[in-house]
Amino acid sequence: GAVVSQHPSRVICKSGTSVKIECRSLDFQATTMFWYRQFPKQSLMLMATSNEGSKATYEQGVEKDKFLINHASLTLSTLTVTSAHPEDSSFYICSARDPGQGDYEQYFGPGTRLTVT
Amino acid sequence: GQNIDQPTEMTATEGAIVQINCTYQTSGFNGLFWYQQHAGEAPTFLSYNVLDGLEEKGRFSSFLSRSKGYSYLLLKELQMKDSASYLCAVIDSNYQLIWGAGTKLIIKP
Repeated sequence: GAVVSQHPSRVICKSGTSVKIECRSLDFQATTMFWYRQFPKQSLMLMATSNEGSKATYEQGVEKDKFLINHASLTLSTLTVTSAHPEDSSFYICSARDPGQGDYEQYFGPGTRLTVT
Repeated sequence: GQNIDQPTEMTATEGAIVQINCTYQTSGFNGLFWYQQHAGEAPTFLSYNVLDGLEEKGRFSSFLSRSKGYSYLLLKELQMKDSASYLCAVIDSNYQLIWGAGTKLIIKP
């Protein structure tokens, strides 16, 4: 099956710093990648959809200047949390769609737990 | 608006059968997914239904009725490792994935 990796798996940073999270599709080319955020005991919340070579589409209420998304290649998308604050502490999960599969299943990365102190 | 409803929490006994229901009202329909998510981990794919009927895959089965806007996930021979959240998600007419809030399943010995 399609495999998606994320790096780092855990990160702790100080308030005001920026953190970059990488999402890679390992054995397929992902024209579309998704970034989710999940707070404890809550469901997934879609933050943005990124298409290779174009600007990401952000969901309502998500600050695009704070959460920078770059999908520069068919196998890599990055999410940068700029000027992080404690309220940004969350579980960030990326997913990718494999157009070669001909369906709309999203393959999830293992997630990145961000803690801002 | 678009809406997906699932029970918040369910409890079942090891070895038993449990059915988790999902009802949806979305702008269009292009398929329904069930995902399993253990605490602190990312979701993993369980099933995909796009036509009416029952799809069986080992101990897990998923049912869809498009006319009723209804699906269920059936888990048989429950094991302790099945304790997790189960997420229902629908692909709408814009091919966006609409997520339910998830059902936390607690398995007791």
